[in-house]
Amino acid sequence: DIQMTQSPSSLSASVADRVTITCRASQSITTYLNWYQQKPGKAPNLLIRGASTLESGVPSRFSGSGSGTDFTLTISSLQPDDIATYYCQQTYNTPQTFGQGTKVQIK
Amino acid sequence: QVQLQESGPRLVKPSQTLSLTCTVSGGSVARGGYYWGWVRQHPGKGLEWIGYIYYSGETFYNPSLKSRLNISLDKSKNQISLRLNAVTAADTAVYYCARSEVGESSPQDYWGQGTLVTVSS
Repeated sequence: DIQMTQSPSSLSASVADRVTITCRASQSITTYLNWYQQKPGKAPNLLIRGASTLESGVPSRFSGSGSGTDFTLTISSLQPDDIATYYCQQTYNTPQTFGQGTKVQIK
Repeated sequence: QVQLQESGPRLVKPSQTLSLTCTVSGGSVARGGYYWGWVRQHPGKGLEWIGYIYYSGETFYNPSLKSRLNISLDKSKNQISLRLNAVTAADTAVYYCARSEVGESSPQDYWGQGTLVTVSS
């Protein structure tokens, strides 16, 4: 199985801060990398597919980049509504696997 | 707008079979272009892909669950089902039904609300 490692596991930042979450795959997954946002008690919500394609309706402050083994999710200006846990996911092969999650909080 | 709704027993005894159904509206499990499947989340933990099924009946399972797992679809009811045999407390989780688009990336773009299934005597 491809292992996905996210860092940090949690972070605390101020409103309007730039926030960066990284995700590393144990082997190359080209750009078969997706990002989800999950709020407590809710299902995950797809933010970005294919490493960098923003889903319709997702605020433009979210962006994704990377290829191969190293990927980044960036929130350009953190908003209170962004408080959530973020997961990366590889769909390069099955079993699909997720990172362990990054919990984002407001300082 | 695609909607998915999980249903089934919330409490299952150890060694028995966990059975869930996902009813799809706004989309069809009988047409190509999408996989229909399941993801689970242990309490307070991360996400685990269980598997999915294509309209043709072709299935893709997580090897860690494959020996106990069956995912099927009912085109007449526009539903998919999950059966997990010989459950233990380690199978206690929120189970989500989700749709994945066939093609590059194939993320889960629509999800059910999830249902917590507890394995306990």
